[in-house]
Amino acid sequence: AQRVTQPEKLLSVFKGAPVELKCNYSYSGSPELFWYVQYSRQRLQLLLRHISRESIKGFTADLNKGETSFHLKKPFAQEEDSAMYYCALRGDSWGKLQFGAGTQVVVTP
Amino acid sequence: SAVISQKPSRDICQRGTSLTIQCQVDSQVTMMFWYRQQPGQSLTLIATANQGSEATYESGFVIDKFPISRPNLTFSTLTVSNMSPEDSSIYLCSVEADQGANGELFFGEGSRLTVL
Repeated sequence: AQRVTQPEKLLSVFKGAPVELKCNYSYSGSPELFWYVQYSRQRLQLLLRHISRESIKGFTADLNKGETSFHLKKPFAQEEDSAMYYCALRGDSWGKLQFGAGTQVVVTP
Repeated sequence: SAVISQKPSRDICQRGTSLTIQCQVDSQVTMMFWYRQQPGQSLTLIATANQGSEATYESGFVIDKFPISRPNLTFSTLTVSNMSPEDSSIYLCSVEADQGANGELFFGEGSRLTVL
């Protein structure tokens, strides 16, 4: 069975501080991993995906197959990063995503 | 990309009634999904809406409770039948755009249902 675990429900950081959102997964094959974000009063949207290996809004995430992790990192948090972040996994089935519980990030000035 | 419109955006319903949620996409898409997000919970996939055939339901969800229609490649409906307070959730329509999406799902704004 596939599972996505986000251990932190809430992450509170100061502006300019580093932020790391943890995501661990359980899947027997080769998964695709994504981070989705939902800003206040906006719809859920893709932040980044592991196959792109790109930095979006200063965020990066590296897939570590040995540790089955896909942690999201940003070296200097900004107030506009305050949002709900979901880690998601896609296994065999085209399109279907398994979401983690989500982590609420609050960046305070 | 794909732009998704959902209606209603929110509703308050009485126990035992049914409500149909509509999802309209601005382009033709093959893959369309319905998710549920219960209060304080993550998103759970209800079913994949298949054009021209019956929807494919995930474990724990059945057609009698959540009938789905998909008459064409731009539209789908989800009905929540015989509602109880436990059905109070946000229901989300999502699609994977056929061209160049590379696995990205696009989401509607959600339909927030409160069952009294």
